[in-house]
Parts: sequence; structure tokens; C-alpha cells
Amino acid sequence: EAGVVQSPRYKIIEKKQPVAFWCNPISGHNTLYWYLQNLGQGPELLIRYENEEAVDDSQLPKDRFSAERLKGVDSTLKIQPAELGDSAVYLCASSLGGAGQETQYFGPGTRLLVL
Amino acid sequence: GQQLNQSPQSMFIQEGEDVSMNCTSSSIFNTWLWYKQDPGEGPVLLIALYKAGELTSNGRLTAQFGITRKDSFLNISASIPSDVGIYFCAGPSGAGSYQLTFGKGTKLSVIP
Repeated sequence: EAGVVQSPRYKIIEKKQPVAFWCNPISGHNTLYWYLQNLGQGPELLIRYENEEAVDDSQLPKDRFSAERLKGVDSTLKIQPAELGDSAVYLCASSLGGAGQETQYFGPGTRLLVL
Repeated sequence: GQQLNQSPQSMFIQEGEDVSMNCTSSSIFNTWLWYKQDPGEGPVLLIALYKAGELTSNGRLTAQFGITRKDSFLNISASIPSDVGIYFCAGPSGAGSYQLTFGKGTKLSVIP
């Protein structure tokens, strides 16, 4: 069974440019998460989806970040415009969803460098 | 918000040695999770603990849920080079178990 797929694996952009990350969760997983991981830190939740609904986006900086999961399967996270401080690893995770099914499986991440 | 403090921050050990690391919190957790992150990869769940005092093993790894519910420990016995990586503790910080708070990690280096 394929794990969580993310692309691209690496991205280098200049500040003020837009950037987008894509995630395909494990098949059948209803819950999808986007995390931000700064160097030397643990992951921090940005947004959580239950199917196509964003049920927790309280940590998402909405002035420049946006996300969508239109058909309740794959998801896109966008930053526009990117700032130097956005350089980090962006992790996607998924879980089955529902009581007792919360184990989160992480993708390999997208490493973003903003110059 | 809730914070998890991991120690040590990093450690260098000789292959074959045992390793101990811990995670503490200022507030009570009902679940403790231990993840490992290899370079260039996402975290992978190693052990999940759901009950105070619980001791759970996964191969050479053993984790314990502290009695106070404010700490957890991870031990690795007879370390091998592939144990290299960053070990994170995590626990649910919201009303539901989906919202995880992660520690800053313990970086383990194994000298062959």
C-alpha cells in the first residue's frame, strides 16, 4: 500500500513568489493534515481536513497561506507571496478518521527554501 | 499552549550501547506517542501509549507512560547505526486526539 505522497520534494524560490505543495493521502484516509516543521523543531499543525471540510485552520496564517481539498482526497497548500521566514519543511499526514483511528501517517515532506 | 520538553537535545553513543530519552509536560496527557524522523523523511510512529504506567515494547524499543501522566520515556537497547535520527514525543493537545503537540526532538547519533 502506498504511503502519503508529497510533491515536490524540494523547492527553491525567491521571496514574494507564489509556491504550491501537493499531497495525496493514503487511500481511504478521510483526515488530512498539513504541518510546518522549522529546523530543529517538531511539526506544528497548520490545518486539518475531514474529507473536504477544513475543520481546524486556527494555526494557518491566512494572509498568505491557503489550502484546499476540493474532492476530499488530495490537497494543495499554497503560499502567496512567500517570505524568507517561510523556509521550512511542509509535511502532510493522513489518518483514517473517527474514534480510535487517529494514528497519523506522514509523507516525506516538501523542503522549501525562500531566497 | 501545551509544551513538551525533550531531553537530551542530542546524544552521541557507541554502537551496542543502550539509550534513554525522556519527554516532560507541564500538563497532563492522556496519550503519549513516540515518532522517529530519518533525514529527509517524515516522522514515523514507533510506539503509542494510552494508559498511565503502561510499558510497551517494539523490538529493541521500550516506552513508558509516566504515572503522573506528565512524562514519558523511550529506551533503545543495543543501538545500531540505523537508529540514527531524531526522536519526537507527541501528545494530543486539543479536545480530540487528532491535534498533536510535538517536542523539539532528541537527535541520536550512533558511532559504529
